[in-house]
Order: sequence, then structure tokens, then C-alpha cells
Amino acid sequence: DAKTTQPPSMDCAEGRAANLPCNHSTISGNEYVYWYRQIHSQGPQYIIHGLKNNETNEMASLIITEDRKSSTLILPHATLRDTAVYYCIVRVDDAGNMLTFGGGTRLMVKP
Amino acid sequence: KAGVTQTPRYLIKTRGQQVTLSCSPISGHRSVSWYQQTPGQGLQFLFEYFSETQRNKGNFPGRFSGRQFSNSRSEMNVSTLELGDSALYLCASSLAFRGREKLFFGSGTQLSVL
Repeated sequence: DAKTTQPPSMDCAEGRAANLPCNHSTISGNEYVYWYRQIHSQGPQYIIHGLKNNETNEMASLIITEDRKSSTLILPHATLRDTAVYYCIVRVDDAGNMLTFGGGTRLMVKP
Repeated sequence: KAGVTQTPRYLIKTRGQQVTLSCSPISGHRSVSWYQQTPGQGLQFLFEYFSETQRNKGNFPGRFSGRQFSNSRSEMNVSTLELGDSALYLCASSLAFRGREKLFFGSGTQLSVL
């Protein structure tokens, strides 16, 4: 699986949009970009994933650049409960669930 | 629909003992994978099962083993426990093992080895 690079930490004001970047410059054509988050002492929670096109669901939006070498997770109106570690992962479609988690980005939402 | 259930939630063992952790996947999910999380190493893949067969294995010693039953429930076993095995053990389930499938994680079992 392609390696991902994320900033170790970010702050965001409550109510503002949180934009979390991820670099995956070695991504190949059959790799999906996934985002999970982990709140302290809980298991990671699925947020969103995409292959080529931008995606949106009730939790977030995922913007993937045209060359697919980077992506941005957008939490449109961050709340204090969004404080967590956010992981960006790329997965080959037929490689199973052997995910490689990097260090992630620790997002701190402040009042 | 019930989520992924892991039991027990907390466990304390001593060095040299063995331990068995249990994971019940979401109903209908046939793939179960296990991860170890420590402050120093982060989240690391242990192994993955699909239809009772191990499909992938991470870089862990043979003391770590697992199995999956016909109802998709899974167990992992760690024998001859070491202090370094203290960690949060997470189980995740998905419908299948394709990259397009979402993983759903349980809350984990916190293992402390004294």
C-alpha cells in the first residue's frame, strides 16, 4: 500500500471548518483513500473513502486532487466532539484488510 | 444493528501466562481482522480471517495466533505473555476483504501484562 504523510497535529475553532491534508504521492490507480478517526480509548471509526471523485456524506467531505497524489478531509462545522486522531490510509482493492496506519493527525477543536 | 463486540474490555495477566480475546463481528460480516495498538508503535496489523481462513498475517511472532469460527466470530490467543504485549487489541469486521469495503472496529480489549 502507498505511504501517507499527515501533519502530526492541527487546531480548529469550534464551528469552523477543519481541513485535514494528506499526501499520498505514490498512490496507484487501484488504491482507495480512506479516512478513519479515533477518539481516545475507542476503536477507529470510519469516516469516508473515495477512489477518484470527491465524496460527501453526513460526517465529512473528501476532496481528492486530480492527480490523486493528495487529499483533504473537510469537517464543515467542527465541534468539540470532533477532537480525535484522524488517519488517512490508502488501500489496494484486493489486498484485504491489512491496513497500514501511520501516525495520523491529532485534531484539537477549541471553543 | 449491533456493532463489533469485543470481550473482555479489560484484562490483567502476568508474564508467562496465555490469554484469549474474543470478537463478534457485525451480523453478516465475514471478514475479521485484528490490530494491536501501543503508544510507541501505533496501530499494527496482526492478522485477518475470511470464511474461517487466515488471509493475511502481520509481522508478529508465532505466540500470536487466531482463528475464526463458522459463525464468523473470531478469537485471538497470545501465549507466553511478555510485558511488551501490553496493548489495546482491536478487532474490525467488514462484509468482505476488498479495499472498497468499510471496516468497523470494536472498542478493543485493553490487556495489561504485569
